[in-house]
Amino acid sequence: AQSVAQPEDQVNVAEGNPLTVKCTYSVSGNPYLFWYVQYPNRGLQFLLKYITGDNLVKGSYGFEAEFNKSQTSFHLKKPSALVSDSALYFCAVRDEGNGGFKTIFGAGTRLFVKA
Amino acid sequence: EPEVTQTPSHQVTQMGQEVILRCVPISNHLYFYWYRQILGQKVEFLVSFYNNEISEKSEIFDDQFSVERPDGSNFTLKIRSTKLEDSAMYFCASSRGQGIGNQPQHFGDGTRLSIL
Repeated sequence: AQSVAQPEDQVNVAEGNPLTVKCTYSVSGNPYLFWYVQYPNRGLQFLLKYITGDNLVKGSYGFEAEFNKSQTSFHLKKPSALVSDSALYFCAVRDEGNGGFKTIFGAGTRLFVKA
Repeated sequence: EPEVTQTPSHQVTQMGQEVILRCVPISNHLYFYWYRQILGQKVEFLVSFYNNEISEKSEIFDDQFSVERPDGSNFTLKIRSTKLEDSAMYFCASSRGQGIGNQPQHFGDGTRLSIL
């Protein structure tokens, strides 16, 4: 079965500093990986995806993620964090098992960006 | 940009009562999903729906749950005889297709269900 792991419950970073939110995956077959962000009392907003091609994927709000096959990782990054980036971030993988195409989410990492 | 909309934003229901959560997927999307997020926990898949039938369901989606697309726009989740442990945030999602190019799934803002 497909799965993703987010080893950090929380990441703290100062505004203007680079940020990294970690994700590792376990899949059978090709990995289709996603990052979503959840702001308080809101749904999940899509940030970016890796399907195939370049290992560095660029997404919304200046975020990017690096797919690393040898390390089975898909870490989310941003060169310069903003206070408004503070939110809950979910790594996810598409699971094609049982004929469906559901999304499997990690446990989430809460990002705090301090001014 | 088109959005998935969910109503109500918050539903409070007595234990044992039936509740219907409503969703309006993006208009040209064909695949619909419900997910659940218990407070402080991860987002969990419940069910996917296509062509007026369930494509896949998780072990959470037992006989207490049902889904329906009663008209061309709404997609509903019904929970019969609600239990305290059904209290959660319920997210609806839709996607244009199932193929790789048609991902990702787009999510609504959720309905917070509180069972008393």
